[in-house]
Amino acid sequence: DARVTQTPRHKVTEMGQEVTMRCQPILGHNTVFWYRQTMMQGLELLAYFRNRAPLDDSGMPKDRFSAEMPDATLATLKIQPSEPRDSAVYFCASGNWEHYGYTFGSGTRLTVV
Amino acid sequence: GNSVTQMEGPVTLSEEAFLTINCTYTATGYPSLFWYVQYPGEGLQLLLKATKADDKGSNKGFEATYRKETTSFHLEKGSVQVSDSAVYFCALSDSGGGADGLTFGKGTHLIIQP
Repeated sequence: DARVTQTPRHKVTEMGQEVTMRCQPILGHNTVFWYRQTMMQGLELLAYFRNRAPLDDSGMPKDRFSAEMPDATLATLKIQPSEPRDSAVYFCASGNWEHYGYTFGSGTRLTVV
Repeated sequence: GNSVTQMEGPVTLSEEAFLTINCTYTATGYPSLFWYVQYPGEGLQLLLKATKADDKGSNKGFEATYRKETTSFHLEKGSVQVSDSAVYFCALSDSGGGADGLTFGKGTHLIIQP
């Protein structure tokens, strides 16, 4: 089965450091989402792209988060500077908007100390 | 705005018991509804979906019916197994197949005891 690959699986970093999370969507999928999962807030949509163009990033703190899709095989989510409240599991998901349901990656568990 | 409310967990059942996980939603228009399942350490997997009122989604013995009059999409299974232990998320999209992202409930942790 085709998979969405996220790296790293786990990341522990110190407050103030830059963090980059990467996602390789499934080849042929035209839509990529970034979600954040925490115990308190559940799953929150951070940003998404269609055909590599950013469509909405209203869910992201603009001053520290940025999402890019430099090519069709890579999406990135950066946090600079990181803060303890950014500790969460970050999921990437890809799919085609014409079809129902998306494939999620296994997530990056970020801990900021 | 859109919202999804699920029953709080954890829900603990014995093997072969009947399962119901309640889900209600608030949305403008006519959303599509989904159930996702998350096993430990993994991402979410689509379990089933329904795209219009009275549709029944089904997969792996799980079922849910889109009830517009009660704005509900309850998940049911007649006989659960230990392998069904996971976190279940109800979600909606007001843009067809989820073209603009999904709104998720908080999730219900299901524990099945042998």
